Amino acid sequence: GAVVSQHPSWVICKSGTSVKIECRSLDFQATTMFWYRQFPKQSLMLMATSNEGSKATYEQGVEKDKFLINHASLTLSTLTVTSAHPEDSSFYICSARVGRAAQETQYFGPGTRLLVL
Amino acid sequence: AQTVTQSQPEMSVQEAETVTLSCTYDTSESDYYLFWYKQPPSRQMILVIRQEAYKQQNATENRFSVNFQKAAKSFSLKISDSQLGDAAMYFCAYVGTTGTYKYIFGTGTRLKVLA
Repeated sequence: GAVVSQHPSWVICKSGTSVKIECRSLDFQATTMFWYRQFPKQSLMLMATSNEGSKATYEQGVEKDKFLINHASLTLSTLTVTSAHPEDSSFYICSARVGRAAQETQYFGPGTRLLVL
Repeated sequence: AQTVTQSQPEMSVQEAETVTLSCTYDTSESDYYLFWYKQPPSRQMILVIRQEAYKQQNATENRFSVNFQKAAKSFSLKISDSQLGDAAMYFCAYVGTTGTYKYIFGTGTRLKVLA
């Protein structure tokens, strides 16, 4: 199957700093990537849809100025948590969509654990 | 709006036995895809199996198979010969073929495998 990497896997930062998380599709091109947030023992919550070469589409209730998304190439999307606060601590997961006919599937990165002190 | 419901928060199965995880969904679309994803303790989401709605034949992948009942909007996952490594959270997901291609996930079922 298709491989999606995510970096870093773990990050601890001080309150008020910004953190960048990278999501890469390693062996395929992804025009669309998704960013999710997952709280313990809960399902995935979609934060935004990232389309290559255009602005991301954010879900209702997600602050676009807080969670900056850039999809600069067909294999890379980044999520920057700006001025992070303890309530931003969570598990962030990206996925890349293979959207060719009859192959519609999302492949997920391994996730990033963010802890804001 | 589309919804996905997993009514079993937790299931247990003896090693080598068979277990079925339930998933129902609601949609007005006629063409869509359904998935089962596994999330082990590492939290890496792993695709287990996918089903195209236009296909009547149930998808199978080794020990994993689905029972897709389109009219009933039901999509259950059967795991045969359960192994300890099957212990994980299992999420059912839906995506339509028109619009944004955002996946809709169920709340998950935690599967425990007993030795």
